[in-house]
Amino acid sequence: AQSVAQPEDQVNVAEGNPLTVKCTYSVSGNPYLFWYVQYPNRGLQFLLKYITGDNLVKGSYGFEAEFNKSQTSFHLKKPSALVSDSALYFCAVRARAAAGNKLTFGGGTRVLVKP
Amino acid sequence: EPEVTQTPSHQVTQMGQEVILRCVPISNHLYFYWYRQILGQKVEFLVSFYNNEISEKSEIFDDQFSVERPDGSNFTLKIRSTKLEDSAMYFCASSLEGGPRNQPQHFGDGTRLSIL
Repeated sequence: AQSVAQPEDQVNVAEGNPLTVKCTYSVSGNPYLFWYVQYPNRGLQFLLKYITGDNLVKGSYGFEAEFNKSQTSFHLKKPSALVSDSALYFCAVRARAAAGNKLTFGGGTRVLVKP
Repeated sequence: EPEVTQTPSHQVTQMGQEVILRCVPISNHLYFYWYRQILGQKVEFLVSFYNNEISEKSEIFDDQFSVERPDGSNFTLKIRSTKLEDSAMYFCASSLEGGPRNQPQHFGDGTRLSIL
């Protein structure tokens, strides 16, 4: 079975400060890992993914995430947060062997960036 | 940028009635999915569909659920006899590829299903 934990329900950060959203996962074998963002009344929007290779992956809107195999983590980061980054962020994992490409999501972390 | 579109945005149905949720995936995508999110809970996988057949389904996806790709553009989720606990936001997604190339899944804005 695969699972994702996002330990923080909400993260508050001042505009211009670094933003980190935490994610840990559990999956059999090597994982595919994803971050999605959801704005109000919208669907999940893909930010970035880790498949293989460099542990630091870069994605949309200045976001990046670091894969740490020993800690089974995939934390999302942004060096300088914007007010427009305020949204709900979801981490997801997929087992490489999954025939149906099933994504398992964490519970989401609400990010509030204050001016 | 191409998008996954879902209709309707909100569906209200009496318990026991059949409901069909509709999705138009991105046109060149080959893999199709349904997920749902009950209010306040996690996004949960329901089913994936490839080459006109189900490739994986969750334990939620019981005999009351079915999926269909009736033509070259639509992908539908049918719930035969709705229950109160089927009330949720239902998301359709599609991806160009699965497997090792693992193209990301692109999601629609969802259909909010309310069962009365």
